[in-house]
Amino acid sequence: EPEVTQTPSHQVTQMGQEVILRCVPISNHLYFYWYRQILGQKVEFLVSFYNNEISEKSEIFDDQFSVERPDGSNFTLKIRSTKLEDSAMYFCASSLQGMNTEAFFGQGTRLTVV
Amino acid sequence: ELKVEQNPLFLSMQEGKNYTIYCNYSTTSDRLYWYRQDPGKSLESLFVLLSNGAVKQEGRLMASLDTKARLSTLHITAAVHDLSATYFCAVDINLYGNKLVFGAGTILRVKS
Repeated sequence: EPEVTQTPSHQVTQMGQEVILRCVPISNHLYFYWYRQILGQKVEFLVSFYNNEISEKSEIFDDQFSVERPDGSNFTLKIRSTKLEDSAMYFCASSLQGMNTEAFFGQGTRLTVV
Repeated sequence: ELKVEQNPLFLSMQEGKNYTIYCNYSTTSDRLYWYRQDPGKSLESLFVLLSNGAVKQEGRLMASLDTKARLSTLHITAAVHDLSATYFCAVDINLYGNKLVFGAGTILRVKS
């Protein structure tokens, strides 16, 4: 069964460092997303991406964040200068279409900023 | 600000019992999703509800959507231990689809 895969599963980084989280969406999906879940809290939308551009972003997704689809398969989230409060589980998701189709989530990358 | 409220947040139940998890939301939407999350794992899609009155069933779980009341329910019938997980409802608030606002989640523990 097709699935969304994310690497790494766990990333530890020092405050102020740049991190790139990687995702391979399901191959025929056209819409891509990043969500995050701070430990013990709810899942929060960060950004959606379609046709090689951001279609929507939340207020969490500030200038420190960027997304890219560098080739036909990968979808990345970059945090330029990590802060302690960026520590969270980051989920990538993809969907076949934008509307009325479920998003399939990857297994997540746990980011720990020390 | 959109609110998606689930209750209860924690549910401990005996095997074989029935119970319902409620998901209330504060904006107009006719697209609601239920997800299951096991500890340390990803979010697994359970149900997609796309219209008022939608009802879907899978095994011991049944989900429904009342868009007029802005309420969705997840009903558990004759619970078994394997259903122990965290259950999230998520409302899609984007006109063009797929910007999900999640509830806080309901931690379900089924005791043998």
